[in-house]
Amino acid sequence: DAKTTQPTSMDCAEGRAANLPCNHSTISGNEYVYWYRQIHSQGPQYIIHGLKNNETNEMASLIITEDRKSSTLILPHATLRDTAVYYCIVARGGSNYKLTFGKGTLLTVNP
Amino acid sequence: NAGVTQTPKFQVLKTGQSMTLQCAQDMNHEYMSWYRQDPGMGLRLIHYSVGAGITDQGEVPNGYNVSRSTTEDFPLRLLSAAPSQTSVYFCASSYSTGTSPLHFGNGTRLTVT
Repeated sequence: DAKTTQPTSMDCAEGRAANLPCNHSTISGNEYVYWYRQIHSQGPQYIIHGLKNNETNEMASLIITEDRKSSTLILPHATLRDTAVYYCIVARGGSNYKLTFGKGTLLTVNP
Repeated sequence: NAGVTQTPKFQVLKTGQSMTLQCAQDMNHEYMSWYRQDPGMGLRLIHYSVGAGITDQGEVPNGYNVSRSTTEDFPLRLLSAAPSQTSVYFCASSYSTGTSPLHFGNGTRLTVT
């Protein structure tokens, strides 16, 4: 599976949009981009995933560049409860059960 | 709907002791996995199962055994605990369809002295 690169940490003001970048320059055509988050040592929580089109759900939006070498997770109105470690993962379809979690980005939402 | 349930939440073992970490899911998921997480690290895959009776090794399988006799349960066994196995253990499950999300339990915090 392709490797991902994320910033170690980011800050965001409460109520503002949080934009979390992820580089995956070696991504293959059949690999999806997944985002999970982990709040204070709880089990990770699925956020969103995509292949090449932008995706949106009730939690977030995922913007994937046209060349698929990078993506951005957008939390439109960050709250204090969004403070968490966010993981960007690239994996082939059908291998969703054995995802590789890196160190992720610690997002701190400040009041 | 309980989701993925892990027991116990906390456990302290002495070196050489054995124990089983329990994981159960009530979502009829085919896939189940065990991960461990050490301080400041991401999650590392220990073992996984794509269905009852089928298991395979992940990234860090040494020192751990698993079995999958039912769809619902996927216990993780430590036969002879070592201090290096001090960690937080997460169980996860998902449907088998391509990109279905992983559902995680809340973890078991294990300390081996």
